[in-house]
Formats: sequence, C-alpha cells, structure tokens
Amino acid sequence: QQPVQSPQAVILREGEDAVINCSSSKALYSVHWYRQKHGEAPVFLMILLKGGEQKGHEKISASFNEKKQQSSLYLTASQLSYSGTYFCGTGAQKLVFGQGTRLTINP
Amino acid sequence: NAGVTQTPKFQVLKTGQSMTLQCAQDMNHEYMSWYRQDPGMGLRLIHYSVGAGITDQGEVPNGYNVSRSTTEDFPLRLLSAAPSQTSVYFCASSRRQGAGEQFFGPGTRLTVL
Repeated sequence: QQPVQSPQAVILREGEDAVINCSSSKALYSVHWYRQKHGEAPVFLMILLKGGEQKGHEKISASFNEKKQQSSLYLTASQLSYSGTYFCGTGAQKLVFGQGTRLTINP
Repeated sequence: NAGVTQTPKFQVLKTGQSMTLQCAQDMNHEYMSWYRQDPGMGLRLIHYSVGAGITDQGEVPNGYNVSRSTTEDFPLRLLSAAPSQTSVYFCASSRRQGAGEQFFGPGTRLTVL
C-alpha cells in the first residue's frame, strides 16, 4: 500500500524552511527519502530505521515515529538546489513510494 | 563502476508490439526492481527480484514479465504494448532489500502509439 505524502506541492523563497510528511496505514520498519530533479532519476537522501532516530544530510534532516507510522523530512534554510520532487518509500520486502511532493524554491 | 545502466533511453512502439527494456548493474547487488513513473502518480513498483532466479510482483505487474538469470541483469518485457504503458521506466538496485539505499538507472522513456 502506497504511503501518503503531504503536502503535494510547496513553493518557498530561498532561505525558508519546509516540512514534508509521509504516513502509512501499515506498520513501518524503515522509511526511505529520495529527491528527483526534473528529467533525472531519483537520488537517495537517507534511510530511517525503526527506533525513532533522526538523520541528517546537509541541511536536510528527517524523523521517524514508528508508533504513529509517520516520517517527516525537514529542509532548513532552503537553497535553490533543493528544488525537485521528494519521495518517501516504505516496505521491507517491496519498496513502495508515495506520490511525491514537488518543492519549488524561488530566489 | 557504471552503476545501473538502462537501454534504450527512448523507444516508440505501436500497440501490440512487444519489446524488452534492459537493465544491468555492476555493483553485485542482490536486490533489483522496476518502477514506472507517470505524472502525478509517483513511482509505482512493477516487479522486483531479491536474487538470481527469484522474482515477485509489485503494485502494477499486469502486462509485464521479468526474469533474473544473473545477478547483473534484470530485463523487463512488455508482452503486447498498450497506450496505457506509455511511461518512464526506472530500474533500481540495492545491496539489501528494504533497508538498502536504492541506486536508480537513468530511465527509459517509452511511448506506445
């Protein structure tokens, strides 16, 4: 079952913060986050494993709450290079992705 | 390392034709998968494999076949192409299923007329 992402789209000015949420109706053991630039393949950002840990990648971090079956991606002081579509993925055997959140950063 | 490679980059088919999309990886990854991407639909899993000789269905397997005779290759076959299969197809591989980072190929853009 596909995880649900929100919001579907975000428009920011450079330097602003954003949060992208990912929730699942099934128990989560791990959550993947990927970013895809227009016309390119998705690129791995991070994996969060069961345990509520928070991980970071540059000014991008994420949290994982397995009790609530949710993960959130935090983009701090956004840069133009952060523009793209962000996907969360869940599943131990099959990795299934959400529908994506399109992030646009304007100067 | 070339990583994950896909051929062809672009393909146009007529309805009813069959073809094979090629995917290869040189990282000795056990786990490989195929996704299709349509506007507003995200990445949908077609088929996946956890090792040579083992394949299983994903979310949208109808109209597609796969096989995994070697660790390196994971071809996707369209049996009888339909306009609904017009999409961008991505192949991905990872060292471990589930908890492993997925490496994606550059994609194949397929149009079925």
